Amino acid sequence: DVKVTQSSRYLVKRTGEKVFLECVQDMDHENMFWYRQDPGLGLRLIYFSYDVKMKEKGDIPEGYSVSREKKERFSLILESASTNQTSMYLCASSPMAGDYYEQYFGPGTRLTVT
Amino acid sequence: DAKTTQPNSMESNEEEPVHLPCNHSTISGTDYIHWYRQLPSQGPEYVIHGLTSNVNNRMASLAIAEDRKSSTLILHRATLRDAAVYYCILKGGSEKLVFGKGTKLTVNP
Repeated sequence: DVKVTQSSRYLVKRTGEKVFLECVQDMDHENMFWYRQDPGLGLRLIYFSYDVKMKEKGDIPEGYSVSREKKERFSLILESASTNQTSMYLCASSPMAGDYYEQYFGPGTRLTVT
Repeated sequence: DAKTTQPNSMESNEEEPVHLPCNHSTISGTDYIHWYRQLPSQGPEYVIHGLTSNVNNRMASLAIAEDRKSSTLILHRATLRDAAVYYCILKGGSEKLVFGKGTKLTVNP
């Protein structure tokens, strides 16, 4: 079974802190994704990566950056956390690019910024 | 992104089949139909996907209408563990998944 793990299930940070969310997948997938999920807004794509050191902006990249130094690991960075970044963050991976391929999600990190 | 329409909620009894409908009348010829589900306090979980033909896997079956304007996810024997929000998603030409409101399935013991 594909396993996508995220570094924390719950995280509380203060406004202005730099926050790192880590995601690791164990199936040698090419693509990795970061989404955030908010009530009434569904899932929104922040960034995705289709290869090591490659990244593409999603729909809401402002205030975030990403890093993919190794194939299995994709990090989401909040440069200066703000209260409107309080959300559930979900990492996903996919074998390849394309509409045929499914995405496998991690358990999520619920981030609270106070 | 092409839109899907699903009932807000459905109820089923344990060990009975469940048919979850999805309408997607504006689907394009190359859109894949994906289904995911999300259990409480967990990330979404891939269930099944298809293009034109019906599909089966260990979790569920997907029945796709001949005109592809609708599809039905079939859980053959619902268990309490199947209680979740089920999302029908059209995937075409974009890497992202667009989740709508989905159908909240309640399974009664």
